[in-house]
Order: sequence, then structure tokens, then C-alpha cells
Amino acid sequence: DIQMTQSPSYVSASVGDRVTITCRASQGISSWLAWYQQKPGKAPKLLIYGASTLQSGVPSRFSGSGSGTDFTLTISSLQPEDFATYYCQQADSFPELTFGGGTKVEIK
Amino acid sequence: QVQLQESGPGLVKPSETLSLTCSVSGYSISNGHYWGWIRQPPGKGLQWIGIIYHSESTYYNPSLKSRVTISVDTSKNQFSLNLTSVTAADTAVYYCARRIYYGSGSFWDYFDFWGQGALVTVSS
Repeated sequence: DIQMTQSPSYVSASVGDRVTITCRASQGISSWLAWYQQKPGKAPKLLIYGASTLQSGVPSRFSGSGSGTDFTLTISSLQPEDFATYYCQQADSFPELTFGGGTKVEIK
Repeated sequence: QVQLQESGPGLVKPSETLSLTCSVSGYSISNGHYWGWIRQPPGKGLQWIGIIYHSESTYYNPSLKSRVTISVDTSKNQFSLNLTSVTAADTAVYYCARRIYYGSGSFWDYFDFWGQGALVTVSS
């Protein structure tokens, strides 16, 4: 099984900050990587797929990069509505897929 | 706009079967794509349970495969989850979602539309 390790598990940041979240795969997954945002009591929302393709309607302050084993999600200027938990998801070997453990972004 | 809505009992007794249905609107399941279930224990991360494609192909998480069945009713535009022999460890919010997969080389494999989630508690 491919394991996904996110870091940090928790980040405290202020509005306007640049925030970077990392996801590392236990083996190479090419670009089979998606990112989701989840707010309390809500379903996850797709942000990025194919490691770097922005989902329609998602603000351009979100960006994704990486391939192989190391990936990043960057929020260029944190907005109040961005405080949430973020998950990466790998899907290198269809149909199986796994999620990372999550990174909670909280207000400093 | 594609919308999904889970329904089913919120409380299930240990050793019994958890059954949930996902009603889809705004898109016909018969038109394609995969339809799946994901769960999230309280305060924890996400776990993929399984997917179905039309009525033909089902795929399950190996860790749950012996207890899971996913089926589809295209006439009602719904798909369902059955999880047998449940224990307290199966207590979770269960989400249904549409899974997009375009095959080798596309790098497109993700869930784009989700239901709001249904909390199922396993307790006597």
C-alpha cells in the first residue's frame, strides 16, 4: 500500500500569509495527486488534481506542484475562508487510492 | 450542478449491517463515471471504501472487501452501500461522491462532487 504523509499536521498562520503544505508518498506516484479542503461539518472540496491542475471555481491563490514522491499545496495569501483542514489523495494504482492524514490551518 | 445526498439509519447495532443510499441529481449515473463511498471516523482522516461503474464493475478497499457491497439502481439514479458485521470501529461519517478517472497517463483520478455526509454510529 502507498502511504501518504502530510506535514505539518498543524499550522498556525495569519491572514495574508503564504502557507505551504507538503505531502510525501511512500513510493513514486507520478502526478496522481489531488488536494482537498474540508471545513468542520462539511464534505471535502476538491481544489487540485493531477498534482497541479486547479479545479474550476477554485481561487488562483491555491496552487499545487510536485511529482514522484514529493508534492506541495501553496496558498499564496491566506484568506479568512481558507482556515480549514487540507488532505492530499494519491491514486497511482487504480482503483485503489489513499488520503494523507490532513493538515489543519488555524488562525494565529 | 451534480448533487448527491446520503440517506439511511444513523444508528446500527454491533454485528448488524450498515446500509446507506446515495441519491444523485443533476447527472445520470448511466452516463458514466465512477460512484463511490468514503468514510471519516470522528476527528480522523478519510478512508476510501469502494466504487461502482454502471452496474458492471465494483472495486473495494482490500481492508474492507470481505464486508462491503456497493450496488446501483439506475432507474432511481441511486447507488447503495452495505457493510456487514459492523463494530464500533465502523462509526464514521459516510460520504458518497462521484469519482473521475480518465485512465493511464491522464493523472485525473479524484472525487469532484460529494454528498453532505451521514453520521452512522455503531452502538447497542
